[in-house]
Amino acid sequence: GAGVSQSPSNKVTEKGKDVELRCDPISGHTALYWYRQSLGQGLEFLIYFQGNSAPDKSGLPSDRFSAERTGGSVSTLTIQRTQQEDSAVYLCASSLNRGAVDTQYFGPGTRLTVL
Amino acid sequence: AQSVTQPDIHITVSEGASLELRCNYSYGATPYLFWYVQSPGQGLQLLLKYFSGDTLVQGIKGFEAEFKRSQSSFNLRKPSVHWSDAAEYFCAVGAKGGNNDMRFGAGTRLTVKP
Repeated sequence: GAGVSQSPSNKVTEKGKDVELRCDPISGHTALYWYRQSLGQGLEFLIYFQGNSAPDKSGLPSDRFSAERTGGSVSTLTIQRTQQEDSAVYLCASSLNRGAVDTQYFGPGTRLTVL
Repeated sequence: AQSVTQPDIHITVSEGASLELRCNYSYGATPYLFWYVQSPGQGLQLLLKYFSGDTLVQGIKGFEAEFKRSQSSFNLRKPSVHWSDAAEYFCAVGAKGGNNDMRFGAGTRLTVKP
């Protein structure tokens, strides 16, 4: 079946603009994660969603970052008033259930460049 | 909280040579351990994982990893590297239970020489 998809694959924006990144998880997966991968850095956890529960936002670096998940499926990560340090690859992953025991399946990522 | 260290940022090996990528973790109990590979332009793919039982874990593409509790390590190995193995490799540790499940290392970039 289809894997995790993300759009756009690349996004170039100007400092101060807002951006929206989209993630389509694998159908039936209740858990959805967002990570940020900066150059030379590991994956930085941002936020995860599990079913209809309140999301765990503990990894969001600032209040400029927010995410939502509509209907328990598609998720959108929004970055307001982008800064150059926001430039990174944003990865989305989904798993059948929340918990480290379940394998996370990753999308190809969105490469964000803030000029 | 758990954490992961991958001491080697970049490793170069010749095709056909053996490979070992190091991973050290910090966690107060028995962790869940993972190795993921990220090929250029691709998403992360799970190579293998350890939850319990046999400490030597076999994965895809001929990779294996050994959990050594005494050394807090989970090193990835392959006896003979292929040019297609050139990629970025990430070790990750997950906690049993809890809300924030996974911590990833900074990654090791593998270059394979002809």
